[in-house]
Amino acid sequence: QQQVKQSPQSLIVQKGGISIINCAYENTAFDYFPWYQQFPGKGPALLIAIRPDVSEKKEGRFTISFNKSAKQFSLHIMDSQPGDSATYFCAPLYNNNDMRFGAGTRLTVKP
Amino acid sequence: DVKVTQSSRYLVKRTGEKVFLECVQDMDHENMFWYRQDPGLGLRLIYFSYDVKMKEKGDIPEGYSVSREKKERFSLILESASTNQTSMYLCASRGQLYSNQPQHFGDGTRLSIL
Repeated sequence: QQQVKQSPQSLIVQKGGISIINCAYENTAFDYFPWYQQFPGKGPALLIAIRPDVSEKKEGRFTISFNKSAKQFSLHIMDSQPGDSATYFCAPLYNNNDMRFGAGTRLTVKP
Repeated sequence: DVKVTQSSRYLVKRTGEKVFLECVQDMDHENMFWYRQDPGLGLRLIYFSYDVKMKEKGDIPEGYSVSREKKERFSLILESASTNQTSMYLCASRGQLYSNQPQHFGDGTRLSIL
């Protein structure tokens, strides 16, 4: 069953632009909403995460926006840089335990 | 710094062989996981272990087994490798379940079954 739908599958952005990746989920029991970043040849690593009691969290150029009623959360990368080129996964958890990965978004930032 | 090490980056095996993928973590984590990563499918959980000698099936356990004899080591076993098991395999560890602690991943083993 597909509990997490991530879009787009791939994204090309010019340097300095804004990258937006979306994640829609079905299970209302999800209670923690992280994004993982994976560079080629490396394993995924936690980038940023949000709890459902807040609507937005910002860390540097990265922001998570969370819409509980729409069951969606998104990752915004401001002032995108070529070094941000990677694959991004949303990976919501329920019971703070069971993690469900989206299909991934391959981001390319052109210089 | 946290370290999860997978023994092989690339592995080529033949159909029907028994294949072992090894993973070691140095963080004294109770919980370890095996995923496979395929394009367009994200990461899918094969098995996880929450303690030595304990294991739980994930979403796609068929054709796989695991072994955890020591806390720091978690092995994935393909009992009789098949071509549809060609994939990238990722090991991860995590401190506490039922917490917001992140999962720490190894760099993966790309396995080809011929």
